[in-house]
Amino acid sequence: AQTVTQSQPEMSVQEAETVTLSCTYDTSENNYYLFWYKQPPSRQMILVIRQEAYKQQNATENRFSVNFQKAAKSFSLKISDSQLGDTAMYFCAFLPGGTSYGKLTFGQGTILTVHP
Amino acid sequence: SAVISQKPSRDICQRGTSLTIQCQVDSQVTMMFWYRQQPGQSLTLIATANQGSEATYESGFVIDKFPISRPNLTFSTLTVSNMSPEDSSIYLCSVNRGNNYGYTFGSGTRLTVV
Repeated sequence: AQTVTQSQPEMSVQEAETVTLSCTYDTSENNYYLFWYKQPPSRQMILVIRQEAYKQQNATENRFSVNFQKAAKSFSLKISDSQLGDTAMYFCAFLPGGTSYGKLTFGQGTILTVHP
Repeated sequence: SAVISQKPSRDICQRGTSLTIQCQVDSQVTMMFWYRQQPGQSLTLIATANQGSEATYESGFVIDKFPISRPNLTFSTLTVSNMSPEDSSIYLCSVNRGNNYGYTFGSGTRLTVV
């Protein structure tokens, strides 16, 4: 079974600064996918960024980028130029490959607060 | 990508009663997933709903407490039965967009049991 660990229950950052959220995972699989989801107070789960394990290149989506270290089983999220709208709970998630209907496993979440 | 409409968005219910949550997807999907998110916690998978067969429940969740219907490829319901205050949570439905794209989620139902 896979496990996903987010060791930072809460983080805060000043507007326009950069913040990094940590995530580690444990799996014996070689083919899998990793995701960061954002959940603002509206409760909607929003996909921020995704990474395929077989790709060495780190994924980037505008101000969001990841540092994927497969050997270390680490998948951190960097948010650049933080905005007030980035305030939310962030979840790291693992999805096994090899099937179209794998189960998504979530970390415990990190509450990020962006201060003006 | 799939769009999911989830209803109700919130409800306050008396203990001992039941609440049915509905999710409608704008495209046909083979499987739908139901999650529970207790206050301040992460998401926990309740069950996987496959059209035409019984739902598959995760450890700690039983059909008598969380019956699920999946009458067609675009719709599913989750019922929270005989509710107690411990059932107060956010319930979310989800569909798999394909491994490369992760899951799409409904907007969630915030349930408070008094």
